Amino acid sequence: QKEVEQNSGPLSVPEGAIASLNCTYSDRGSQSFFWYRQYSGKSPELIMSIYSNGDKEDGRFTAQLNKASQYVSLLIRDSQPSDSATYLCAVNTGNQFYFGTGTSLTVIP
Amino acid sequence: DTGVSQDPRHKITKRGQNVTFRCDPISEHNRLYWYRQTLGQGPEFLTYFQNEAQLEKSRLLSDRFSAERPKGSFSTLEIQRTEQGDSAMYLCASSLGLAPSYNEQFFGPGTRLTVL
Repeated sequence: QKEVEQNSGPLSVPEGAIASLNCTYSDRGSQSFFWYRQYSGKSPELIMSIYSNGDKEDGRFTAQLNKASQYVSLLIRDSQPSDSATYLCAVNTGNQFYFGTGTSLTVIP
Repeated sequence: DTGVSQDPRHKITKRGQNVTFRCDPISEHNRLYWYRQTLGQGPEFLTYFQNEAQLEKSRLLSDRFSAERPKGSFSTLEIQRTEQGDSAMYLCASSLGLAPSYNEQFFGPGTRLTVL
């Protein structure tokens, strides 16, 4: 079982819609959770970090964490074509950071 | 620019040659990480430093790979006797520390290695 699992997609949403990205992790001891955006050929860019159960909002982005279900999600409201990218979920367990394979998102104008 | 920088951005080499990459982290960051990413995959942990100490290496990191961080500032990653399977994007990231709220990692632009 992989440490972090994401649906690879592709996920397509129309412009202005809400995009929902999901991630599950295997280690209950994981403490920190991150979402990165990665454009093709570029390096990952940090969008959100979340450390406790519940929701965390930053502009159009909301991260949700449920430690009991070992589940992290990212909601993107009012999706824009510029949001089209691969979204990586990352989890910190002990000294290690594990990344999922990413979900490809396309926002259709 | 106070972000993470990496040099070179691209490297093409022949199989069997040695290559060295450099990473300059954000100046106040104590932790520095090296990752490798291939197409369609997420970044894969290679090794990390707390200041100048190399604290952990991935079991996937063969003996051909070595990393240093002298004086706890910049870091270098060397690959000896390169193989075609080493072709990948090599990413460097840095963070303030490990504790929550300090462990956000910020990535450099990466070095794309092509081994012919």
